[in-house]
Amino acid sequence: DSGVTQTPKHLITATGQRVTLRCSPRSGDLSVYWYQQSLDQGLQFLIQYYNGEERAKGNILERFSAQQFPDLHSELNLSSLELGDSALYFCASSVAVSSYNEQFFGPGTRLTVL
Amino acid sequence: KNEVEQSPQNLTAQEGEFITINCSYSVGISALHWLQQHPGGGIVSLFMLSSGKKKHGRLIATINIQEKHSSLHITASHPRDSAVYICAVPMYSGGGADGLTFGKGTHLIIQP
Repeated sequence: DSGVTQTPKHLITATGQRVTLRCSPRSGDLSVYWYQQSLDQGLQFLIQYYNGEERAKGNILERFSAQQFPDLHSELNLSSLELGDSALYFCASSVAVSSYNEQFFGPGTRLTVL
Repeated sequence: KNEVEQSPQNLTAQEGEFITINCSYSVGISALHWLQQHPGGGIVSLFMLSSGKKKHGRLIATINIQEKHSSLHITASHPRDSAVYICAVPMYSGGGADGLTFGKGTHLIIQP
């Protein structure tokens, strides 16, 4: 158990809908990363927050947004969902802002868009 | 932006064999991550290393920063080692806020 929690574990929804994925980092970790894993693209970095502020952006679509709250939990919002958004979404946390720190991954949320 | 290549993509071995998985990256970095993804999907961090060698149980990871290459070794392999092993490095080499870029993974099967 990494200490990182994600909810829900599974999410099934329809095209055009909006969903919110939630992540709670390990106690003491200030950085939260969001990653998407799909069959064709593999694992891809979406976005990083550190202590409430956005710090790095990867291949995140404009339809997706995220935020980190004062209690350090983070939410990833996916809107206008398309079939291609079906994937595993992982969050990871680390103690500091640099990517030169070990990251601890949550169990993931499996999103299916029908 | 960093690019990561892993080899082999698939590896099937017999229990007890010594396993080597290789990772090369394109941009100089100071830290590299080895991850393990179980059949159920969960990802576990195995190592983060910036130089030399690290050992944890039957797992050994080495890195050569000058050659931009890392290897993950498994000694006395066991069926429970069957998983996907993924190499990851920072997307950019600056050392600040940054996400990881990942190899495609090595799908390892250890047969009893």
